[in-house]
Amino acid sequence: DAKTTQPNSMESNEEEPVHLPCNHSTISGTDYIHWYRQLPSQGPEYVIHGLTSNVNNRMASLAIAEDRKSSTLILHRATLRDAAVYYCILRGANSGNTPLVFGKGTRLSVIA
Amino acid sequence: DTGVSQDPRHKITKRGQNVTFRCDPISEHNRLYWYRQTLGQGPEFLTYFQNEAQLEKSRLLSDRFSAERPKGSFSTLEIQRTEQGDSAMYLCASSDDRGRRYGYTFGSGTRLTVV
Repeated sequence: DAKTTQPNSMESNEEEPVHLPCNHSTISGTDYIHWYRQLPSQGPEYVIHGLTSNVNNRMASLAIAEDRKSSTLILHRATLRDAAVYYCILRGANSGNTPLVFGKGTRLSVIA
Repeated sequence: DTGVSQDPRHKITKRGQNVTFRCDPISEHNRLYWYRQTLGQGPEFLTYFQNEAQLEKSRLLSDRFSAERPKGSFSTLEIQRTEQGDSAMYLCASSDDRGRRYGYTFGSGTRLTVV
């Protein structure tokens, strides 16, 4: 799977939108973009994934650049409960049985 | 279904002792994964099963580690002759065959402290 680059940390005020960036300049045409988050003392939690089009679900939105070399996870109104480490991971359609590979992610702090 | 369950949540053991962790995946999921996570790092893959077959093992999985998944249901991860470097959070996850397009479901982990 191709590599991703994320900032080590970000900070947001409560009830403000948060945009978490991810660069993946070596993405291939069949790579899916997955986001997971990990709350303190919990296992990672699936957030959202997409291939080419922007995606929305109850947790977040995923905006994918037209050239697919970057993407942004959008939390529309950050709450204290959103403080977590967010991981951006690429999953190739040809990954076969290759398990998820996590980087260090972005640690999001939310300030009340 | 209440998700992926791991037991125990915490384990403190003396160096040199053996420990065993259990993971109960989501019942419909045929794939089960073990990861290890140390402070400040993302989870690192250890091994995974499809049904009862162990299909891949990481180089991180030394010969002191063994994992089983009898009958393709729950799984156990055993560490023999524990060392202080084994102190970490051990995470279990499960998925169906679409896991590479859809999500993994993780348990809350077992935190191991070797003293």
